[in-house]
Amino acid sequence: RKEVEQDPGPFNVPEGATVAFNCTYSNSASQSFFWYRQDCRKEPKLLMSVYSSGNEDGRFTAQLNRASQYISLLIRDSKLSDSATYLCVVNGNTGFQKLVFGTGTRLLVSP
Amino acid sequence: DAGVIQSPRHEVTEMGQEVTLRCKPISGHDYLFWYRQTMMRGLELLIYFNNNVPIDDSGMPEDRFSAKMPNASFSTLKIQPSEPRDSAVYFCASSFGGAGGYEQFFGPGTRLTVL
Repeated sequence: RKEVEQDPGPFNVPEGATVAFNCTYSNSASQSFFWYRQDCRKEPKLLMSVYSSGNEDGRFTAQLNRASQYISLLIRDSKLSDSATYLCVVNGNTGFQKLVFGTGTRLLVSP
Repeated sequence: DAGVIQSPRHEVTEMGQEVTLRCKPISGHDYLFWYRQTMMRGLELLIYFNNNVPIDDSGMPEDRFSAKMPNASFSTLKIQPSEPRDSAVYFCASSFGGAGGYEQFFGPGTRLTVL
């Protein structure tokens, strides 16, 4: 079983739609959780950290369920510029600095 | 402020040749990471350093791969000899290990093609 699993997509949505991505992780000792964004042929960049209480950054909302080892990302009012691959990331079991990346969920927002 | 710098950006080589990838982390960052990304396997951590010392190299595929960090501002990843299955995008990333400082900043990557 992979340490971090995501639906690869692609998710095809129209502008203005709300879309949700899910991710599960296998290491119950993981303490840090993130969503990274990767544009086509570019490097990954941090989108947001995920906190136990859930957190919001503009149109983006992240949730964490430790009991189910499940992380989600909700994007409201999708923009064309949101088209990218979204990587679910958790820290590994040998230190907070070692991150394990999911293979990503691809989002395509169309006019 | 300059981000993580990698060179070369593209490398095309023939099987059996030696390949050296270079990375300059963000000044002041004390962690440096080498990743490999392919369509099939996604982003995989190869090795990471803390204060120039290798901490975890469990992701290095085999003895053909080696990495060094002679000082805080430079690291290399070497593949010798290279094979077609090494074709991938190799990313270098750095971070600052202070409290809460887990964000990793990635370089633009080196796209390696081994023929």
